[in-house]
Amino acid sequence: KAGVTQTPRYLIKTRGQQVTLSCSPISGHRSVSWYQQTPGQGLQFLFEYFSETQRNKGNFPGRFSGRQFSNSRSEMNVSTLELGDSALYLCASSPTWTSGRSSSYNEQFFGPGTRLTVL
Amino acid sequence: LAKTTQPISMDSYEGQEVNITCSHNNIATNDYITWYQQFPSQGPRFIIQGYKTKVTNEVASLFIPADRKSSTLSLPRVSLSDTAVYYCLARSGNTPLVFGKGTRLSVIA
Repeated sequence: KAGVTQTPRYLIKTRGQQVTLSCSPISGHRSVSWYQQTPGQGLQFLFEYFSETQRNKGNFPGRFSGRQFSNSRSEMNVSTLELGDSALYLCASSPTWTSGRSSSYNEQFFGPGTRLTVL
Repeated sequence: LAKTTQPISMDSYEGQEVNITCSHNNIATNDYITWYQQFPSQGPRFIIQGYKTKVTNEVASLFIPADRKSSTLSLPRVSLSDTAVYYCLARSGNTPLVFGKGTRLSVIA
């Protein structure tokens, strides 16, 4: 089975611009979660989508949004970019949704990430 | 959100057993404890999860005491390729998985 793929792998933008990142989950997986990773804050949860519905959202401003399509592929959008948005953005897929409930299933499969640099 | 506490960094020599302990005082009654490993420039990779007592797989062992307020990830006979960041995850209720900053393990030859 192919793993989780993310495009693009690297991106350079300037402040004020917007960006869209894409994530294709493992075939058959219906959940996609997005994370932001920075040296200072570590790995932080952005949101999770399952069956085209946002199941949970982390503590990020409304400039960060996402969506999921019927084929489970997901996109994440960041509008009005700020310097502090420079980070590695990771997506993870799983067969079922993992956020928002205590669960015996906590295994997520991560993609390689998109490295976003905001100048 | 649940808060886990684990050492920021650890060093070990090749061939030694490494134990990384994580505290999770307010873990939810029915939640599992999960550990991930992350190499530089890669996404995290699931290692092991457990609910109580001991769980072992081909990569690691996980020890969880009866009160479940802590857990210990044990890596037997580490090699240089085990140098990575290790994350302990536990939830205090219906919340997302929180990765935190993890433990940076450096294996020395």
